[in-house]
Amino acid sequence: EAGVTQFPSHSVIEKGQTVTLRCDPISGHDNLYWYRRVMGKEIKFLLHFVKESKQDESGMPNNRFLAERTGGTYSTLKVQPAELEDSGVYFCASSQSDGYSKNEQFFGPGTRLTVL
Amino acid sequence: DAKTTQPTSMDCAEGRAANLPCNHSTISGNEYVYWYRQIHSQGPQYIIHGLKNNETNEMASLIITEDRKSSTLILPHATLRDTAVYYCIVRTDSWGKLQFGAGTQVVVTP
Repeated sequence: EAGVTQFPSHSVIEKGQTVTLRCDPISGHDNLYWYRRVMGKEIKFLLHFVKESKQDESGMPNNRFLAERTGGTYSTLKVQPAELEDSGVYFCASSQSDGYSKNEQFFGPGTRLTVL
Repeated sequence: DAKTTQPTSMDCAEGRAANLPCNHSTISGNEYVYWYRQIHSQGPQYIIHGLKNNETNEMASLIITEDRKSSTLILPHATLRDTAVYYCIVRTDSWGKLQFGAGTQVVVTP
């Protein structure tokens, strides 16, 4: 079974540009999460989708960040315009909602974003 | 969700058991204790979780004190590949967000 995949693995952009990160969850997982770790800081939650709906977006830092999950499958996280402080590693995770699973969140390898 | 406290770092000899403590003195009755780890340059990985009883799986054992104010993750036979940052997380909402702290940097040495 394929795990959570993220694209691209690395992205280097200039301040003010736009970047779109993509996450493909494990097939059948209704829950999709975005997290990020900025340099020297702890991993922080950004938002949580249940299917195509935003369940919790309390961690989104500001309106420069836009997450979508059309059709309840893959998700994109767009940063527009990017700022220097957005540099870091963005992780995506997914989990099932069947009530019988151990509620394990499966993480992707992350996208390393560098804003110059 | 309750806050957790973990040592910043610890070393462990290869082949020995690694015992990772976690304090969660403000834990409430419906909160679970979860452990994740992050090996360098990878995404976090689930290890184990529990509510009251001790738990064991193929990766580790989780010992929760009777008052539930602390727990210990045990890696029974540490290998070099167990070198990672280990996170103890307390949460109520099983399908909600994970709140990562600083974790414990574990270094397994030959």
